[in-house]
Amino acid sequence: EVQLVESGGGLVQPGGSLRLSCATSGFTFRSYWMTWVRQAPGKGLEWVANINHAASQTNYVDSVRGRFTISRDSVNSLYLQMNSLRAEDTAVYYCAREDYYALDVWGQGTTVTVSS
Amino acid sequence: QSALTQPASVSGSPGQSITISCTGISSDVGRDNYVSWYQQHPGKAPKLMIYEVSNRPSGVSDRFSGSKSGNTASLTISGLRAEDEADYYCRSHRSGNTPWVFGGGTKLTVL
Repeated sequence: EVQLVESGGGLVQPGGSLRLSCATSGFTFRSYWMTWVRQAPGKGLEWVANINHAASQTNYVDSVRGRFTISRDSVNSLYLQMNSLRAEDTAVYYCAREDYYALDVWGQGTTVTVSS
Repeated sequence: QSALTQPASVSGSPGQSITISCTGISSDVGRDNYVSWYQQHPGKAPKLMIYEVSNRPSGVSDRFSGSKSGNTASLTISGLRAEDEADYYCRSHRSGNTPWVFGGGTKLTVL
């Protein structure tokens, strides 16, 4: 069974840092682009970042570029290092697999709350 | 970057058909066929319903269909059922610094 499981969310103060992880199983991880998507409370989905198979290409939404870093290992895990966190980064963060230019498998999400 | 434009809400009765639009510009929806649609029930992760404008993943009901004309993509749900009540989001590839963008989402109510 294809599965994505996020972890690492929590409460952090403005200006702080957090590292999210996404453990994958059931498919050949190194064959797929991977993506992070977030959803602020009561709001819609926002594409955050993605990374290619070889970790040689990354893309970010403007609001996180320079503060967040997406990365992956060669086995089965995706990461999102989040620095200089702001209140507006408060959201549920989902990792997702990309196939045929769509997000075909999603994790259950991990909640990040930025508040003093 | 602004999100793609979707109606905030649509509604229909069981058995009816509804269509949700997703309007962008020539550098996103109108640029290529990399438009996908997602269903999200409250408190749940999104689920892929349509990819590359009109293709259904395995296991998705054929009551769901997608199309595109110019800068507007559409999701049609026929034979509405109570379980279709959810939020729906489109996503498109976009030229520029941020390669992907979601629509603002549409809440579907089955009356």
